[in-house]
Amino acid sequence: GAGVSQSPSNKVTEKGKDVELRCDPISGHTALYWYRQSLGQGLEFLIYFQGNSAPDKSGLPSDRFSAERTGGSVSTLTIQRTQQEDSAVYLCASRLPTGLNEKLFFGSGTQLSVL
Amino acid sequence: TQLLEQSPQFLSIQEGENLTVYCNSSSVFSSLQWYRQEPGEGPVLLVTVVTGGEVKKLKRLTFQFGDARKDSSLHITAAQPGDTGLYLCAGGRGAQKLVFGQGTRLTINP
Repeated sequence: GAGVSQSPSNKVTEKGKDVELRCDPISGHTALYWYRQSLGQGLEFLIYFQGNSAPDKSGLPSDRFSAERTGGSVSTLTIQRTQQEDSAVYLCASRLPTGLNEKLFFGSGTQLSVL
Repeated sequence: TQLLEQSPQFLSIQEGENLTVYCNSSSVFSSLQWYRQEPGEGPVLLVTVVTGGEVKKLKRLTFQFGDARKDSSLHITAAQPGDTGLYLCAGGRGAQKLVFGQGTRLTINP
């Protein structure tokens, strides 16, 4: 597709269950970001992938959160043993490899609700 | 610690008024971007500024990057209801991640 695709768009889960969120970046975009956005708030950085470099995981809030990027393309964010405070919109973004001045292209996000 | 502080966090004004939103930091950024986000969508880039003192205009929107590259402002002239949304600034430094402010929720009343 032409844009960043995220799935599912909505996910309702029970506390304690694991969830996987998927991001398909724009083809050719080697940089990929995951952010978390609580209701009406700004974006909280989670993790950043750049090409074959080791990912910047400094924003992951706990060891229940992990992410991988296979083949430099699709990324999966996994949250284990979900808690109610994990409820938020999870946004994925990608950009061209030419530098930080390049704009981020965002997906529409996954709305996660933990009951 | 919030690297980028936006103010005000909420702003509700009448159509036709002017407004300014601020994005401040104690850190220097190599570039600063402004995004606008509508409900149910991801943020969309409005502008990137990279030079201290730079001013960019996008129709009724004027963006300025501070001389020291630590702060930025967004000024909207004659606001329209279509300007309603969440405005986010984001700063980049070298090869590091892009960090976002907490956003300014703007409502323009007809």
